[in-house]
Amino acid sequence: KAGVTQTPRYLIKTRGQQVTLSCSPISGHRSVSWYQQTPGQGLQFLFEYFSETQRNKGNFPGRFSGRQFSNSRSEMNVSTLELGDSALYLCASSLAPQQPLAKNIQYFGAGTRLSVL
Amino acid sequence: QQQVKQSPQSLIVQKGGISIINCAYENTAFDYFPWYQQFPGKGPALLIAIRPDVSEKKEGRFTISFNKSAKQFSLHIMDSQPGDSATYFCAASFNNAGNMLTFGGGTRLMVKP
Repeated sequence: KAGVTQTPRYLIKTRGQQVTLSCSPISGHRSVSWYQQTPGQGLQFLFEYFSETQRNKGNFPGRFSGRQFSNSRSEMNVSTLELGDSALYLCASSLAPQQPLAKNIQYFGAGTRLSVL
Repeated sequence: QQQVKQSPQSLIVQKGGISIINCAYENTAFDYFPWYQQFPGKGPALLIAIRPDVSEKKEGRFTISFNKSAKQFSLHIMDSQPGDSATYFCAASFNNAGNMLTFGGGTRLMVKP
């Protein structure tokens, strides 16, 4: 069973540009979450999607956006890139939104490392 | 606002020793506390998780101890092996917040042979 696939693995952009990152969840998984990982701020939640709808959003500016398609694949977009956006962006998928008294395991991809010059 | 504080930032343990990583949380609404292991170049992987209705959970060499009144939980790695060298993250989530996880700052563990 294939894991969570994130593309591209590495990306170099310049300030002011925009970028789109892609995530293909594990087959059958319908929930996709995105996280930003930096040495200074650690792992921070960006947003979660289920059935093409955003369920939760972290404390990030509106330059960060995402979407989910009918096949559960997800993309995130960062517009007007800033130097501080350089980070590893991780996608995680799980079977379904959390059920009461149960937690669905989230499986992370290897991430997309974005460098903003 | 950092809601989950993790310590130490780095840890060196001899092979066969016990590795202990601690986390403290602020929000009593958290109801699920997982630990993740991350190797270089890989995404985090779930190691073990606990709910606040139990004080301890053990899976193989990994044990979570949970102290609800102190709002603290810890990961114990028994008989630590060089292959355990990785970065470990504690996390917490709310029952009504879907899969959103709040992570601790991470602990880089090195197990010396």
